[in-house]
Amino acid sequence: NAGVTQTPKFQVLKTGQSMTLQCAQDMNHEYMSWYRQDPGMGLRLIHYSVGAGITDQGEVPNGYNVSRSTTEDFPLRLLSAAPSQTSVYFCASKRGAANYGYTFGSGTRLTVV
Amino acid sequence: AQSVAQPEDQVNVAEGNPLTVKCTYSVSGNPYLFWYVQYPNRGLQFLLKYITGDNLVKGSYGFEAEFNKSQTSFHLKKPSALVSDSALYFCAVRDGNTDKLIFGTGTRLQVFP
Repeated sequence: NAGVTQTPKFQVLKTGQSMTLQCAQDMNHEYMSWYRQDPGMGLRLIHYSVGAGITDQGEVPNGYNVSRSTTEDFPLRLLSAAPSQTSVYFCASKRGAANYGYTFGSGTRLTVV
Repeated sequence: AQSVAQPEDQVNVAEGNPLTVKCTYSVSGNPYLFWYVQYPNRGLQFLLKYITGDNLVKGSYGFEAEFNKSQTSFHLKKPSALVSDSALYFCAVRDGNTDKLIFGTGTRLQVFP
């Protein structure tokens, strides 16, 4: 009964480094999304996926890549980290039908120095 | 474009008093509305949703929300606040075209003993 699992929980990067934030869900959910949370700005959608092999951009996709090779996993890649990407990142998943809500992971706190 | 607004950054209420956290929305078509709560250093937890039907929706932890179509509002309410209700509350609306979830900026609820 793990739900949505995000790793790592905390990460410090230097400007220009790359890394991958991992997200896995064991509920066989079709939809998965990545959000970033910044003070005073709520949650903003980075990328989302409606199923394996299908991804699309959200509000703030620049500097991030995603892929969805399996239903379970939806990793978020930072290509060249910038201080503006310092944030808390949340992965979420849900069933495909419209009336279901998202289940969120516990988040990854990323600091870029 | 679909959007939600949470006009109050913070709401303060005394324990035992009723609480209201405000949310207004702008959507084309039928609104699918959600409330989530975030406790410190945790992910978002689903509280309740409005899809169709009764305008008063009951959710987790004694919370309820009133859907008002004429005022395009979906305010979160609780008859008697608890100190443990202190958290960050997010209103969200589903984008009917893409099934993405669009969040408000959040309202911090402080319940004082």
